[in-house]
Amino acid sequence: SQQGEEDPQALSIQEGENATMNCSYKTSINNLQWYRQNSGRGLVHLILIRSNEREKHSGRLRVTLDTSKKSSSLLITASRAADTASYFCATDAFPAGYNKLIFGAGTRLAVHP
Amino acid sequence: GAVVSQHPSRVICKSGTSVKIECRSLDFQATTMFWYRQFPKQSLMLMATSNEGSKATYEQGVEKDKFLINHASLTLSTLTVTSAHPEDSSFYICSAMGQINQPQHFGDGTRLSIL
Repeated sequence: SQQGEEDPQALSIQEGENATMNCSYKTSINNLQWYRQNSGRGLVHLILIRSNEREKHSGRLRVTLDTSKKSSSLLITASRAADTASYFCATDAFPAGYNKLIFGAGTRLAVHP
Repeated sequence: GAVVSQHPSRVICKSGTSVKIECRSLDFQATTMFWYRQFPKQSLMLMATSNEGSKATYEQGVEKDKFLINHASLTLSTLTVTSAHPEDSSFYICSAMGQINQPQHFGDGTRLSIL
């Protein structure tokens, strides 16, 4: 079953704008991860945020985690056409050592030049 | 670092054929490998988890006799779709993890088309 639910399902913006994607989940987690997938390709890991962390940054990416609301957000600042892809959150909610990920439905981001 | 190679990238074959997909971790030892299936414009669905030298753990609803998984070494796992039929057509993606609680690193996927 899908753990993460993401919104919006699709997002279309202009280059230079910021893009925000949200992810909600249902159970307690060990960590939450964000991945990117270009069309027809595999997934690229972006950021892992642990359950005791509230915010992490990596370049133009900012991820927040609110465990009380069971939600996370991914912010891409100053977007570029090359950021066009699908973005998935994935939760690791199993007992330690299982490391199984449950993926959300994803947000399809289109950045127009 | 952390490169995962998946081969082949695309397979087109006749119904009834068995297809083997390889997943290799090129620059690290993968204690665990995962196999996913993805339908168009949908998310990834975990099929099975494999640890080197032991039997794979399949998710509910995944036929273990249909999708044979072998994890013979710390750098190689294979998924064999046996007697494939058109409904098995999909995008199959593997991932590998070097240490527990670390990110999974994904291959580029295999698009399987059964005619």
